Amino acid sequence: QVQLVESGGGVVQPGKSLRLSCAASGFTFSNYGMHWVRQAPGKGLEWVAVTWHDGSNQYYMDSVKGRFSISRDNSRNTLYLQMNSLRAEDTAVYFCARDSAVEGVIIAQLDYWGQGILVTVSS
Amino acid sequence: QSVLTQPPSASGAPGQRVTISCSGSSSNIGSNSVNWYQQFPGTSPKLLIYSDDQRPSGVPDRFSGSKSATSASLAISGLQSEDEADYYCATWADSLNGPVFGGGTKLTVL
Repeated sequence: QVQLVESGGGVVQPGKSLRLSCAASGFTFSNYGMHWVRQAPGKGLEWVAVTWHDGSNQYYMDSVKGRFSISRDNSRNTLYLQMNSLRAEDTAVYFCARDSAVEGVIIAQLDYWGQGILVTVSS
Repeated sequence: QSVLTQPPSASGAPGQRVTISCSGSSSNIGSNSVNWYQQFPGTSPKLLIYSDDQRPSGVPDRFSGSKSATSASLAISGLQSEDEADYYCATWADSLNGPVFGGGTKLTVL
């Protein structure tokens, strides 16, 4: 069955960096676009970034452009989110999620989600 | 402030029908399909409705979606206590090159 498992979260000081990983299994990872979505404590869902199935394109929400970088290693079935210059407002649970489109244009139907990983930015 | 507007809360008694609205604009809902997600406290979201009105396998037919112009709705009929959760609408935002979510609606079963 499809599984997405995030790791790499924790407490980090403002201005520092952190890299999240999302290990995928149970499907052909290289066929699917992948997203990161976050949820601040007690708040709603907020899309962060997307990468195409082959890593050819990446898009970001405005507030993380230039600070966050989404990437993937299809040989390792792993998605990454490199987060630099972290701010208090980046504190959230970060979910990786699969786009349901196969080898096509991203359609943002997120059909499988990881359990989420907490990132806390605090001094 | 979310681009998509949902009521923060909704409620209904067991067996009743509840509708949750999602209002957007021509650049999001008006030109793209809408998806709905269900999230229980402390868990990850689950895709509930996709492409405006389609249910993934395993989702009961008590859940239905619809869309008209720049608004969408999620209807839950035969309300059950286990439907108590947060519900989010989402659609593609052309300006973002990514999806936008509504602020979420907390459903309470009375």
